[in-house]
This record gives sequence, C-alpha cells and structure tokens, in this order.
Amino acid sequence: GAGVSQSPSNKVTEKGKDVELRCDPISGHTALYWYRQRLGQGLEFLIYFQGNSAPDKSGLPSDRFSAERTGESVSTLTIQRTQQEDSAVYLCASSLGVGQPQHFGDGTRLSIL
Amino acid sequence: TQLLEQSPQFLSIQEGENLTVYCNSSSVFSSLQWYRQEPGEGPVLLVTVVTGGEVKKLKRLTFQFGDARKDSSLHITAAQTGDTGLYLCAGTLFDSWGKLQFGAGTQVVVTP
Repeated sequence: GAGVSQSPSNKVTEKGKDVELRCDPISGHTALYWYRQRLGQGLEFLIYFQGNSAPDKSGLPSDRFSAERTGESVSTLTIQRTQQEDSAVYLCASSLGVGQPQHFGDGTRLSIL
Repeated sequence: TQLLEQSPQFLSIQEGENLTVYCNSSSVFSSLQWYRQEPGEGPVLLVTVVTGGEVKKLKRLTFQFGDARKDSSLHITAAQTGDTGLYLCAGTLFDSWGKLQFGAGTQVVVTP
C-alpha cells in the first residue's frame, strides 16, 4: 500500500499476557518511529530506527517494552507482561530520513483487561 | 512533563467563525509541525515551519512560528464543519532530530 500499515487495528488481551504490534512503513522510508497515545492526550515518543544505526530507545517506559526492525522494512513493538496502564493507541510513523516529515499509520488500539 | 503546551484544550465554534490555537514552550525548537487527527486515524501533517517569524498559509489556515522559535499559532478563518478534529503541535529540538515532542492537542468542534 501507499501508506503506513499497522496491524492489528485492535487488540484486547488479559493483564500479564505478551502482545506484539506490527508496522509496515512506506517503501523507501529509512526512518521508523513508535509513539503511544493515551486517551485524550498527545503522542508520547517511544523509539525510532534510522537505517542500520542503533535505535534511539530513550522513550521506552520500562524494560517490558522492546522493538525490532528488519533492515528498512517491518517493525514490531513487543510489550511483555502487559498491565492496565499499557492500554492506549500505539502509532507508527515513517519518514524518508530522520528530521523529514513523518507519515503515520492509523494505530493499534490496545486494551488490557 | 510536556515541553509543548497547547491552548485551549477544547474549542467549540459555529461555522463561519474564526479560531486560533496556541502552542507554547520554554524550549527552542529547530522546527515545529501542526497535525490534524480524526477519530480512529493517525495524525496527518498540515505544515512544517522552520524559520523564526515564519508565516505559512494553507487555504483558510495560517500558521506562525514565533521569532524566538518557542511558540506557534494556528489560525482558521471562516471555519467549516470539515475543520473538526484534534489539532496537535509537535516540535523537534536541535539536539534530537529523530524525536517529535507533541503537545496534548486542541479538540476543535465546528457546528453548522
């Protein structure tokens, strides 16, 4: 597709389970970003990848959160031992390079019961 | 703690009226962006301003970047119902190109 694709669009899981969220960036975009958006709030930076450089993980809220990216393609965000405060929309964005305009997917709405 | 403070948090106006949304910070930004987000969708970029004092116009929308690069405003003239949405400002600091710092957003509702 032409835009950033995220899956699943919705995920409901029980507290304590692990979840994996997927992001397919726009083809040719070397930079990929993950954000978290809690209800009624702005976006909170989590992590970004730029080419083969080490990712900037400074926004990850705890060691239960991790992300990987294969080359300049798909990325997965994993949350282990989910807690209720992890409930949020997780948004992925990509750009031609760091500092270039970011294009967002529609997000994954994660609900922890 | 959010670096960018947006005001107001919520704005309800009638079609044809004008509105202004503000984005303020004590930090200096290399660039500032405005996004609009609709329910169930990701934010969509409206504009990027990079020069202090810069003014950009996009049809009925006017964006201004403060001279000191610490603040920005979005002005909508003759609002339409299609302007309804969550308006987010986001900035990039000089020493962290990859991170966008977002404000909490302004929910704008335009009624017929």
